[in-house]
Amino acid sequence: AQSVTQLGSHVSVSEGALVLLRCNYSSSVPPYLFWYVQYPNQGLQLLLKYTSAATLVKGINGFEAEFKKSETSFHLTKPSAHMSDAAEYFCAVKDSSYKLIFGSGTRLLVRP
Amino acid sequence: DVKVTQSSRYLVKRTGEKVFLECVQDMDHENMFWYRQDPGLGLRLIYFSYDVKMKEKGDIPEGYSVSREKKERFSLILESASTNQTSMYLCASSTYRQGGTDTQYFGPGTRLTVL
Repeated sequence: AQSVTQLGSHVSVSEGALVLLRCNYSSSVPPYLFWYVQYPNQGLQLLLKYTSAATLVKGINGFEAEFKKSETSFHLTKPSAHMSDAAEYFCAVKDSSYKLIFGSGTRLLVRP
Repeated sequence: DVKVTQSSRYLVKRTGEKVFLECVQDMDHENMFWYRQDPGLGLRLIYFSYDVKMKEKGDIPEGYSVSREKKERFSLILESASTNQTSMYLCASSTYRQGGTDTQYFGPGTRLTVL
């Protein structure tokens, strides 16, 4: 069965600092991996997705993620945090079926 | 741009009431989904529909039913609302992609409170 673990329910960084949100997955087949962002009182918006092409995936708003099969990880990074990045971030995994499995989410706090 | 809309942003209902949550997508997507979101639990799939009148149970279907009479519209029904169904409900849609690389697009959510 597939699963996703997001380490840290809350991550706090200073404005301008590196953002690193961790995601580890478990899958018996080559996975497709997604990062979504949810701003307060809004739905989820796709940041980026990995579908077995390049292992380094660039997304919107300066975010990127690297697929590392040996570590079963798909961590999300951004070189310099902005106040507007404060939100909740969800990692998700799916196989060839319809089902998307979500992690429990990480809330990013950005300090001025 | 894909647009997924949900009929209400906030809803307050009484225990035992029948509740309808409506979702409409404008991109002719085959697949539609209903999730509930609770703090610390992420999103959990309630029901999925891959075509008109077709549905499959997700991980937590108990206490819910769905209806899809038209391709663009997917309704979630709480037959008799209970307090433990107080939650944020999110609708999503996607189009079929061979191999499963489809992306799900989400609506803004309905925050339901059952008193």
